[in-house]
Amino acid sequence: DGGITQSPKYLFRKEGQNVTLSCEQNLNHDAMYWYRQDPGQGLRLIYYSQIVNDFQKGDIAEGYSVSREKKESFPLTVTSAQKNPTAFYLCASSMIEGSYEQYFGPGTRLTVT
Amino acid sequence: KNQVEQSPQSLIILEGKNCTLQCNYTVSPFSNLRWYKQDTGRGPVSLTIMTFSENTKSNGRYTATLDADTKQSSLHITASQLSDSASYICVVSVYSGAGSYQLTFGKGTKLSVIP
Repeated sequence: DGGITQSPKYLFRKEGQNVTLSCEQNLNHDAMYWYRQDPGQGLRLIYYSQIVNDFQKGDIAEGYSVSREKKESFPLTVTSAQKNPTAFYLCASSMIEGSYEQYFGPGTRLTVT
Repeated sequence: KNQVEQSPQSLIILEGKNCTLQCNYTVSPFSNLRWYKQDTGRGPVSLTIMTFSENTKSNGRYTATLDADTKQSSLHITASQLSDSASYICVVSVYSGAGSYQLTFGKGTKLSVIP
């Protein structure tokens, strides 16, 4: 099956710990994105990458880091510097050419206590 | 500031009834407008995507309309089903150059369809 996967579905961490969220796609998409979703708010862009070994900050990059060593993978690390990390995190991917439709993964719900 | 406003915030309808969700935007320059359906705890799934020149687009029981002059879009759901219960998100895209698109997301309308 082609698609975009995120793991794990639920993640619990203690305050002060870094945590890495996984995102993998086999759609052969060039671009990948990380969004954060909070109750009552629209999705907000954290980071995006259009090619391997290159990525750009989105609107709320502080306290997060990413890497893009492979076309298929775009992991997100939530660092201890992120003041309010508890949220629903969504990964997406798209082609650079064409309709630029973004396909979303199933999401990871991170709870930090 | 680019904004996307959706109304109503939430809506409850009886199964089998029709409903219309609204989206107003101030994004400029406009590239395309998308409607997504998001089930609780899941990722959004695309319903329709419309460019500047398209006035309407259908996907089964879902019909989206776009008025680029007034910067308004609507999503009409016909003969609602219990499985239509979800959040519906309006997303407006601006082409920012070099193959890059800036997306602005609305906060969504939470639809509940009851028997």
